Amino acid sequence: GENVEQHPSTLSVQEGDSAVIKCTYSDSASNYFPWYKQELGKGPQLIIDIRSNVGEKKDQRIAVTLNKTAKHFSLHITETQPEDSAVYFCAAQKGGSYIPTFGRGTSLIVHP
Amino acid sequence: NAGVMQNPRHLVRRRGQEARLRCSPMKGHSHVYWYRQLPEEGLKFMVYLQKENIIDESGMPKERFSAEFPKEGPSILRIQQVVRGDSAAYFCASSPSPGAGRKAYEQYFGPGTRLTVT
Repeated sequence: GENVEQHPSTLSVQEGDSAVIKCTYSDSASNYFPWYKQELGKGPQLIIDIRSNVGEKKDQRIAVTLNKTAKHFSLHITETQPEDSAVYFCAAQKGGSYIPTFGRGTSLIVHP
Repeated sequence: NAGVMQNPRHLVRRRGQEARLRCSPMKGHSHVYWYRQLPEEGLKFMVYLQKENIIDESGMPKERFSAEFPKEGPSILRIQQVVRGDSAAYFCASSPSPGAGRKAYEQYFGPGTRLTVT
Protein backbone atom coordinates (compact mmCIF):
# COMPACT_ATOMS: atom_id res chain seq x y z
CA GLY A 1 0.00 0.00 0.00
CA GLU A 2 0.85 3.67 -0.02
CA ASN A 3 3.52 4.97 2.36
CA VAL A 4 3.90 8.69 3.09
CA GLU A 5 6.98 10.07 4.80
CA GLN A 6 6.94 13.60 6.19
CA HIS A 7 9.85 15.79 7.35
CA PRO A 8 10.73 17.47 9.56
CA SER A 9 8.74 16.29 12.57
CA THR A 10 9.30 19.66 14.27
CA LEU A 11 10.02 23.03 12.69
CA SER A 12 10.73 26.19 14.63
CA VAL A 13 10.91 29.57 12.84
CA GLN A 14 10.84 33.26 13.62
CA GLU A 15 7.82 35.30 12.67
CA GLY A 16 8.21 36.51 9.12
CA ASP A 17 10.45 33.65 8.02
CA SER A 18 9.41 31.01 5.52
CA ALA A 19 8.64 27.40 6.45
CA VAL A 20 8.90 24.36 4.21
CA ILE A 21 7.52 20.91 4.95
CA LYS A 22 8.38 17.99 2.68
CA CYS A 23 6.64 14.71 1.97
CA THR A 24 7.42 11.70 -0.17
CA TYR A 25 5.06 8.98 -1.31
CA SER A 26 5.61 5.51 -2.66
CA ASP A 27 2.68 4.69 -4.94
CA SER A 28 2.93 6.23 -8.40
CA ALA A 29 -0.85 5.78 -8.75
CA SER A 30 -1.44 8.53 -6.19
CA ASN A 31 -2.76 11.67 -7.85
CA TYR A 32 -4.34 13.80 -5.13
CA PHE A 33 -2.30 15.43 -2.36
CA PRO A 34 -4.12 17.41 0.35
CA TRP A 35 -2.54 19.29 3.24
CA TYR A 36 -4.21 19.67 6.61
CA LYS A 37 -3.59 22.02 9.52
CA GLN A 38 -4.48 20.82 13.01
CA GLU A 39 -4.57 23.28 15.86
CA LEU A 40 -4.39 22.08 19.45
CA GLY A 41 -7.56 20.34 20.53
CA LYS A 42 -9.20 20.63 17.12
CA GLY A 43 -9.76 18.48 14.07
CA PRO A 44 -7.59 18.73 10.94
CA GLN A 45 -8.60 21.46 8.50
CA LEU A 46 -7.99 21.17 4.77
CA ILE A 47 -5.86 24.18 3.79
CA ILE A 48 -4.72 23.42 0.26
CA ASP A 49 -4.50 20.52 -2.14
CA ILE A 50 -2.86 19.70 -5.44
CA ARG A 51 -3.64 17.22 -8.16
CA SER A 52 -1.08 15.44 -10.26
CA ASN A 53 -1.86 17.37 -13.42
CA VAL A 54 -0.22 20.51 -12.00
CA GLY A 55 3.20 21.17 -10.51
CA GLU A 56 2.38 24.08 -8.24
CA LYS A 57 -0.56 25.77 -6.60
CA LYS A 58 -0.65 28.92 -4.53
CA ASP A 59 -3.16 30.45 -2.15
CA GLN A 60 -2.03 33.70 -0.53
CA ARG A 61 0.86 32.84 1.79
CA ILE A 62 0.79 29.10 1.22
CA ALA A 63 1.89 27.13 -1.81
CA VAL A 64 2.32 23.48 -2.67
CA THR A 65 4.68 21.97 -5.20
CA LEU A 66 4.58 18.48 -6.66
CA ASN A 67 7.30 16.50 -8.40
CA LYS A 68 5.66 13.35 -9.76
CA THR A 69 8.88 11.90 -11.11
CA ALA A 70 10.58 12.06 -7.73
CA LYS A 71 7.32 11.33 -5.87
CA HIS A 72 7.63 14.23 -3.50
CA PHE A 73 5.55 17.26 -2.66
CA SER A 74 6.08 20.21 -0.37
CA LEU A 75 4.18 22.86 1.53
CA HIS A 76 5.62 26.37 1.60
CA ILE A 77 4.43 29.03 4.02
CA THR A 78 5.81 32.53 3.54
CA GLU A 79 5.80 35.44 6.01
CA THR A 80 4.89 33.13 8.87
CA GLN A 81 2.75 34.42 11.70
CA PRO A 82 2.23 33.06 15.24
CA GLU A 83 -1.24 31.86 14.25
CA ASP A 84 0.40 29.54 11.72
CA SER A 85 1.66 27.49 14.68
CA ALA A 86 0.00 24.08 14.43
CA VAL A 87 0.61 20.50 13.29
CA TYR A 88 0.56 20.10 9.52
CA PHE A 89 -0.22 16.80 7.82
CA CYS A 90 0.38 15.85 4.24
CA ALA A 91 -1.54 13.04 2.58
CA ALA A 92 -1.56 11.10 -0.67
CA GLN A 93 -4.54 9.51 -2.33
CA LYS A 94 -4.81 7.16 -5.29
CA GLY A 95 -6.99 7.84 -8.25
CA GLY A 96 -10.47 6.43 -7.66
CA SER A 97 -9.86 6.07 -3.92
CA TYR A 98 -11.47 8.34 -1.37
CA ILE A 99 -9.11 7.29 1.42
CA PRO A 100 -5.92 9.30 1.97
CA THR A 101 -2.73 8.00 3.55
CA PHE A 102 -1.37 10.56 5.99
CA GLY A 103 2.15 11.51 6.97
CA ARG A 104 3.02 11.60 10.66
CA GLY A 105 2.78 15.36 10.88
CA THR A 106 5.04 18.37 11.36
CA SER A 107 4.72 20.55 14.43
CA LEU A 108 5.35 24.13 13.27
CA ILE A 109 6.19 26.69 15.92
CA VAL A 110 6.35 30.34 14.91
CA HIS A 111 8.07 32.53 17.49
CA PRO A 112 6.90 36.14 17.71
CA ASN B 1 -23.79 26.29 8.03
CA ALA B 2 -22.66 23.78 10.63
CA GLY B 3 -19.58 21.75 9.94
CA VAL B 4 -18.99 18.15 10.93
CA MET B 5 -20.23 17.58 14.44
CA GLN B 6 -18.97 14.97 16.85
CA ASN B 7 -20.09 14.08 20.33
CA PRO B 8 -19.14 13.65 22.97
CA ARG B 9 -15.95 15.68 22.78
CA HIS B 10 -14.47 13.79 25.70
CA LEU B 11 -15.39 10.31 26.87
CA VAL B 12 -14.01 8.39 29.82
CA ARG B 13 -14.68 4.67 30.07
CA ARG B 14 -13.44 1.94 32.36
CA ARG B 15 -11.90 -1.17 30.91
CA GLY B 16 -14.59 -3.53 29.69
CA GLN B 17 -17.24 -0.86 29.11
CA GLU B 18 -18.64 0.19 25.74
CA ALA B 19 -17.87 3.46 23.99
CA ARG B 20 -20.22 5.06 21.44
CA LEU B 21 -18.95 7.93 19.35
CA ARG B 22 -21.30 9.95 17.17
CA CYS B 23 -20.72 11.93 14.02
CA SER B 24 -23.08 14.12 12.02
CA PRO B 25 -21.67 15.01 8.58
CA MET B 26 -21.78 18.40 6.97
CA LYS B 27 -25.05 19.30 5.32
CA GLY B 28 -25.15 17.84 1.84
CA HIS B 29 -22.44 15.27 2.54
CA SER B 30 -23.34 11.63 2.25
CA HIS B 31 -20.01 9.95 2.99
CA VAL B 32 -18.40 9.52 6.37
CA TYR B 33 -14.92 8.40 7.38
CA TRP B 34 -13.57 7.48 10.80
CA TYR B 35 -9.91 7.90 11.80
CA ARG B 36 -7.93 7.22 14.94
CA GLN B 37 -5.09 9.45 16.08
CA LEU B 38 -2.58 8.47 18.72
CA PRO B 39 -0.34 11.11 20.35
CA GLU B 40 2.29 12.48 17.95
CA GLU B 41 1.11 10.21 15.16
CA GLY B 42 -0.79 10.78 11.98
CA LEU B 43 -4.35 9.84 11.28
CA LYS B 44 -5.04 6.17 10.70
CA PHE B 45 -8.01 5.29 8.54
CA MET B 46 -10.55 2.97 10.12
CA VAL B 47 -13.75 2.82 8.09
CA TYR B 48 -15.57 4.54 5.22
CA LEU B 49 -19.37 4.55 5.07
CA GLN B 50 -22.27 5.96 3.15
CA LYS B 51 -25.86 5.82 4.30
CA GLU B 52 -26.77 2.23 5.26
CA ASN B 53 -23.61 0.86 3.65
CA ILE B 54 -20.03 0.16 4.72
CA ILE B 55 -17.81 0.84 1.73
CA ASP B 56 -14.40 0.06 3.22
CA GLU B 57 -13.58 -1.18 6.71
CA SER B 58 -10.06 -2.37 6.01
CA GLY B 59 -8.58 -0.18 8.76
CA MET B 60 -10.88 -1.28 11.52
CA PRO B 61 -9.90 -3.99 14.01
CA LYS B 62 -11.87 -7.16 13.39
CA GLU B 63 -12.99 -7.53 16.98
CA ARG B 64 -14.79 -5.14 19.32
CA PHE B 65 -15.10 -2.32 16.76
CA SER B 66 -18.12 -1.65 14.57
CA ALA B 67 -19.52 1.30 12.66
CA GLU B 68 -22.81 2.26 11.12
CA PHE B 69 -24.38 5.14 9.25
CA PRO B 70 -28.16 4.66 9.32
CA LYS B 71 -30.64 6.21 6.94
CA GLU B 72 -31.63 8.64 9.67
CA GLY B 73 -29.35 10.00 12.34
CA PRO B 74 -25.62 10.24 12.89
CA SER B 75 -22.89 7.77 12.10
CA ILE B 76 -21.81 5.77 15.14
CA LEU B 77 -18.47 4.18 15.93
CA ARG B 78 -18.90 1.58 18.64
CA ILE B 79 -16.11 0.04 20.67
CA GLN B 80 -17.08 -2.86 22.89
CA GLN B 81 -15.14 -4.01 25.95
CA VAL B 82 -12.67 -1.13 25.74
CA VAL B 83 -9.04 -1.63 26.71
CA ARG B 84 -6.39 0.94 27.63
CA GLY B 85 -4.92 0.73 24.12
CA ASP B 86 -8.16 2.16 22.72
CA SER B 87 -7.38 5.52 24.34
CA ALA B 88 -6.96 7.93 21.45
CA ALA B 89 -8.60 10.77 19.59
CA TYR B 90 -11.20 9.58 17.10
CA PHE B 91 -12.01 11.86 14.21
CA CYS B 92 -14.84 11.74 11.78
CA ALA B 93 -14.71 13.37 8.36
CA SER B 94 -17.32 13.80 5.67
CA SER B 95 -17.28 14.42 1.95
CA PRO B 96 -19.81 14.93 -0.83
CA SER B 97 -20.92 11.94 -2.89
CA PRO B 98 -18.71 10.79 -5.80
CA GLY B 99 -21.13 12.54 -8.12
CA ALA B 100 -19.70 15.84 -6.88
CA GLY B 101 -16.65 15.33 -9.10
CA ARG B 102 -13.36 16.66 -7.75
CA LYS B 103 -15.04 17.97 -4.61
CA ALA B 104 -15.77 14.37 -3.63
CA TYR B 105 -12.12 13.96 -2.67
CA GLU B 106 -12.16 16.79 -0.14
CA GLN B 107 -12.72 15.64 3.42
CA TYR B 108 -13.86 17.91 6.21
CA PHE B 109 -13.09 16.86 9.74
CA GLY B 110 -14.99 17.20 12.96
CA PRO B 111 -13.40 18.31 16.26
CA GLY B 112 -12.88 14.72 17.42
CA THR B 113 -13.77 12.63 20.44
CA ARG B 114 -11.01 12.05 22.92
CA LEU B 115 -11.50 8.65 24.49
CA THR B 116 -9.73 7.82 27.71
CA VAL B 117 -9.90 4.28 29.08
CA THR B 118 -9.08 3.98 32.77
